[in-house]
Amino acid sequence: DAGITQSPRHKVTETGTPVTLRCHQTENHRYMYWYRQDPGHGLRLIHYSYGVKDTDKGEVSDGYSVSRSKTEDFLLTLESATSSQTSVYFCAISESATGGGSPLHFGNGTRLTVT
Amino acid sequence: EDQVTQSPEALRLQEGESSSLNCSYTVSGLRGLFWYRQDPGKGPEFLFTLYSAGEEKEKERLKATLTKKESFLHITAPKPEDSATYLCAVRGFGNTPLVFGKGTRLSVIA
Repeated sequence: DAGITQSPRHKVTETGTPVTLRCHQTENHRYMYWYRQDPGHGLRLIHYSYGVKDTDKGEVSDGYSVSRSKTEDFLLTLESATSSQTSVYFCAISESATGGGSPLHFGNGTRLTVT
Repeated sequence: EDQVTQSPEALRLQEGESSSLNCSYTVSGLRGLFWYRQDPGKGPEFLFTLYSAGEEKEKERLKATLTKKESFLHITAPKPEDSATYLCAVRGFGNTPLVFGKGTRLSVIA
């Protein structure tokens, strides 16, 4: 298994509170990604990082921010959680930009419930 | 806009009953097509990458094939441990993210 640890694995929070999810990798991969997975939708990209302090938006980035101060850590923050952000969040890593010969490798997810 | 459609949504097979899962895609130039397996409560696990029409990849009871419009994941003589959701994703040229299909949920009954 790729060395990816997500924390926490489960979280319940109230609407309007800030939430930070953490992804830690031991593979020294340059690219890191945050996805959300919801019933009826495929995995959707929230944000990604292509290096320390280098990040960019994905297709569903509204309401989320990210930070990457070290190669191994990528944080996802919900500044003010809403019920629509109830989801399972997956972190993924890759050696190079997706496509080419470098697939994504995923962590085991964080289940977030916003009440 | 890149799109991926997987069919069927769910498939129930008897152990040993071979079948195929379909992934139809539209993309502005294919850079790669990826297959993943996802077990309940886990993240997707990478299976295969296919790059060009005519390419095939095999792993145990699974074989993935690719045409210009679709990919098939063939499952030969499946076992109950093959039960999972299988995801397909494509990446086109340009600065576009990986696009995932909604998956096919496979159940193999002993």
